Amino acid sequence: GQQLNQSPQSMFIQEGEDVSMNCTSSSIFNTWLWYKQDPGEGPVLLIALYKAGELTSNGRLTAQFGITRKDSFLNISASIPSDVGIYFCAGRRDDKIIFGKGTRLHILP
Amino acid sequence: EAQVTQNPRYLITVTGKKLTVTCSQNMNHEYMSWYRQDPGLGLRQIYYSMNVEVTDKGDVPEGYKVSRKEKRNFPLILESPSPNQTSLYFCASSLREGSEQYFGPGTRLTVT
Repeated sequence: GQQLNQSPQSMFIQEGEDVSMNCTSSSIFNTWLWYKQDPGEGPVLLIALYKAGELTSNGRLTAQFGITRKDSFLNISASIPSDVGIYFCAGRRDDKIIFGKGTRLHILP
Repeated sequence: EAQVTQNPRYLITVTGKKLTVTCSQNMNHEYMSWYRQDPGLGLRQIYYSMNVEVTDKGDVPEGYKVSRKEKRNFPLILESPSPNQTSLYFCASSLREGSEQYFGPGTRLTVT
């Protein structure tokens, strides 16, 4: 079946550092989505990408839809404590959405 | 306020005791879905519903049932819970299949 490989699985960074995470697949997707799950909450949509090559920002977050349509990355600039949580990528193909396993972000004081 | 609600938020039960986790959305969404989240496994879809009276299995449906009698509600039923169903469960809804999903706050279930 289709799978998304999300990496890294977890990250420990210092406050103020930039963060980068990505999702890759052997299959082509026509939409990429990035969600964030705060501790004790459900995932919330951060950014949606609809076209290959698209680069979209949401405040300190920037995400790109890979040219090959098989990957996407999410960058967070100047991390702050409230960025802590699990970030999920999700790809849509044939009206099915598949989630990556998540990247858990830890921020050290 | 547009939202997806789940109840209960926390539940501890014993093996074999039937339980239902309710899910309701107020956005008139057609598509609703249940996921379970386990460490290292991410979100795995249990069941989904494309509209009233239309439900189908997801990736891990064994041991679960669902119903969709009304558009807004999509309860998850565990007829005979077992310890391997201890997990964090999320309900989600979207305008239609493939649209961006809105998630509920989660239900943490422990089966002893």
